Order: sequence, then C-alpha cells, then structure tokens
Amino acid sequence: GAGVSQSPSNKVTEKGKDVELRCDPISGHTALYWYRQSLGQGLEFLIYFQGNSAPDKSGLPSDRFSAERTGGSVSTLTIQRTQQEDSAVYLCASSLRGLAGGNTDTQYFGPGTRLTVL
Amino acid sequence: AQKITQTQPGMFVQEKEAVTLDCTYDTSDQSYGLFWYKQPSSGEMIFLIYQGSYDEQNATEGRYSLNFQKARKSANLVISASQLGDSAMYFCAMRAGGTGRRALTFGSGTRLQVQP
Repeated sequence: GAGVSQSPSNKVTEKGKDVELRCDPISGHTALYWYRQSLGQGLEFLIYFQGNSAPDKSGLPSDRFSAERTGGSVSTLTIQRTQQEDSAVYLCASSLRGLAGGNTDTQYFGPGTRLTVL
Repeated sequence: AQKITQTQPGMFVQEKEAVTLDCTYDTSDQSYGLFWYKQPSSGEMIFLIYQGSYDEQNATEGRYSLNFQKARKSANLVISASQLGDSAMYFCAMRAGGTGRRALTFGSGTRLQVQP
C-alpha cells in the first residue's frame, strides 16, 4: 500500500517568509509525528498527534512553529517568519496505534521536506 | 530522560562480509522498544528491525539481526552478507515509558559504506 507522503520535497524560501509543509500518513494510522533533522542537532521530535486528542507540542522549538491535523489524516506544519536556523529536513512519520500500541508500535517515515531558508 | 549513543560516525565493510553497528541506550524505564532505521542518500527513513525490552530472543529480519544485551544496555545491529545497497546512514532509536507521546529518541547515526 501507499506509504507516508510529504510535499513539497524541497522548499527554498527567504528569511521572514512563512512556509507550510504537508504530510499524508498511511491510511488507517492513528498517530502522526513530525521530526526535524539538521546537521548540528540530529533528529529531533517536534509534535505528535493521536486521534482526536490534543497534540503533544512539547518538541516545538518556538511559537513560530505550529501544526494541525485535519480529519485525523493529513497534517500541515507551519513555520512563520522563517529563520536561517530553520533550515533542515522535516520528516513526518505515522504509526498504527500510537499510545495504544505500546512500545512495539512502529513508526513509518515519509521522504521528508528539505527546507532551505536564505 | 532517554538517550541513545552511537559511537561510530563511519564504518567501512567489504561486500559479502558481516558488520556490526553499535548502539547503547540509557533509560530508567523497564518497558521500552529499540528500533533501527536505515536512511539512504534519498533521505527516507526505512524501518529495519525492532526489539522489545521484554523479548528474550534477539530479533532477526532477513540479513538484519539485533544483538540485544540488556544488562549492558546495548542493542547492536548486525548486517550479514553486506551488499552495495546497504551503504547508508543507520540510526538506532528508542521509545520508552508506559505513558507519554511515544516519540522516538534517536542516536547520531553511523554512516556505513560497503566496498566492492
């Protein structure tokens, strides 16, 4: 079946502009995660959605970052007033059961969006 | 807090040989899961293998096996009969705890290069 898809694959923007990154999880997966992968910081958790529950935003680095998940499916990560330090690959993952799945619940990743802020 | 340590930034292996990628972890939780992912140059994170903290047997998936030594808190990935297509970054990751967000904590990764 179809895996996790993300768009765009690459995004170049100017400092101060807003960007939206999209994630389409695997159909039927209840949990969705955003991570950021940058050279200096490795892979960092950003935000987690589980069904209709309030998202866990504990990994968001600043209030310029926000995300929503509509209808329990597609998610959009928005970065406002982008800064050069926001340049990174943004990875989305989904899993079947999230919290209900215990530690065995495997996360499947999309191909990522490479964001470059000039 | 959870921590994953991968001490080998880069590894070389000859085609058809076996290679071990090291991973140690730190958590105070009794229940946790350990994962290995492969990230080729295309960027996608590909799930390889999983080991649960209560699993008594080492996990195996095809040419991948996980050498799980709980007392030493290590979860090394063994790739047998390396292939050129195995050249990639490899990440060890952990999810721990009975509650919480279920996000993964990742190590810094090991870049594996398979030589012909």
